[in-house]
Amino acid sequence: QSVLTQPPSASETPGQRVTISCSGSSSTIGGNLVYWYQQIPGMAPKLLIQRNNQRPSGVPDRFSGSKSGTSASLAISGLRSEDEADYYCSSWDDNLGGPIFGGGTKLTVL
Amino acid sequence: EVQLVESGGGLVQPGGSLRLSCAASGFTFSSYAVHWVRQAPGKGLEYVSGITSYGDSTYYANSVRGRFAISRDNPKNTLFLQMDNLRPEDTALYYCARAAESAANLYYYGMDVWGQGTTVTVSS
Repeated sequence: QSVLTQPPSASETPGQRVTISCSGSSSTIGGNLVYWYQQIPGMAPKLLIQRNNQRPSGVPDRFSGSKSGTSASLAISGLRSEDEADYYCSSWDDNLGGPIFGGGTKLTVL
Repeated sequence: EVQLVESGGGLVQPGGSLRLSCAASGFTFSSYAVHWVRQAPGKGLEYVSGITSYGDSTYYANSVRGRFAISRDNPKNTLFLQMDNLRPEDTALYYCARAAESAANLYYYGMDVWGQGTTVTVSS
């Protein structure tokens, strides 16, 4: 069981907005930066959000990240079929002294 | 083109060893920390190990500490993962990835360049 907790699945229809949560603690999200990755089946992960809420070059502004206290969220607006993927949050764990990943959320675009 | 290419995976018996390599190109390899992340079949991402840009500091997940050793050869732009005493639960696709920011330490700044992975299967 991961130290960062994500819902195992989420679904929404095309064009709508979906939010994926990531719950941590004061030793993880509460005191450190949060990163989000998108992994399309059969592909390597792709960095989607860095430093809590910044989009790397090339990531559409339909994707946004936020952080409040010991939790973070990834929001995807204007859903498209190509957004169907697994999404992972990630942060530093002060107790472990290293990075950790959430368990991942499988997004289905209905 | 910025690229990471893993190699060295394969089938090994429990208790055996493998050495993974990750060849970097298209960027100044010696300026970035690099990491290994694995994904067991049908499972999520698991952080394995990381090494600073000059190789002076390393980190290992509890699940591999004492069995795996990360190293790098900056003149040859190559990252390594020596895996000893392998267990069936080490079976996974192993990715190497570049830190998203150039820093002197191993603090986590995300990973912005990923290889396609190399498969390790531990089975008798």
